Amino acid sequence: DAGVTQSPTHLIKTRGQQVTLRCSPKSGHDTVSWYQQALGQGPQFIFQYYEEEERQRGNFPDRFSGHQFPNYSSELNVNALLLGDSALYLCASSLDRSPSTIYFGEGSWLTVV
Amino acid sequence: GENVEQHPSTLSVQEGDSAVIKCTYSDSASNYFPWYKQELGKRPQLIIDIRSNVGEKKDQRIAVTLNKTAKHFSLHITETQPEDSAVYFCAASRSGYSTLTFGKGTMLLVSP
Repeated sequence: DAGVTQSPTHLIKTRGQQVTLRCSPKSGHDTVSWYQQALGQGPQFIFQYYEEEERQRGNFPDRFSGHQFPNYSSELNVNALLLGDSALYLCASSLDRSPSTIYFGEGSWLTVV
Repeated sequence: GENVEQHPSTLSVQEGDSAVIKCTYSDSASNYFPWYKQELGKRPQLIIDIRSNVGEKKDQRIAVTLNKTAKHFSLHITETQPEDSAVYFCAASRSGYSTLTFGKGTMLLVSP
């Protein structure tokens, strides 16, 4: 049983550019959440998608947006990249409203130069 | 919103010693408290969790305790081994949600 799959694993972007990160949830999971983990910090919640809609959002600017597809996979888009956006972006899938089922992917390392 | 504080930020122990990591949370509506282990460059992995209707839970060398009144919960690792070296995160989740608020992490180093 595959876990959460994220792509790409590593990428380098220039300030001002846009990036799209992708996530395929664990089989059977219908909810996808995204977290940003800066170096030396704990993961911070960005937003959560359920039934193709953003259900919850953390304290992140509108430059961060997302999408969930009918097959439950998800994308995270970040526009107008800043140096401070450099981080590990973690996708977590789960069953609806069931935190004990949360499963993290290996993450996408984004470096903004 | 929820705020989770975690201490200490680093912890060095000798192999075979015990290690204790402590967290506090602010939101009394939180009712699920997981602990994650994250090795360098890897995903956070759930090692143990506890719900608010339970005071203590144990799994082999790992135990978690919860004091709802004081809004404290702690991770206890006994007979530490070098492979326990990693960053440990506590987290909290509100009832009815599947989102987590994390502490800032504790780097545990177990020396042989």
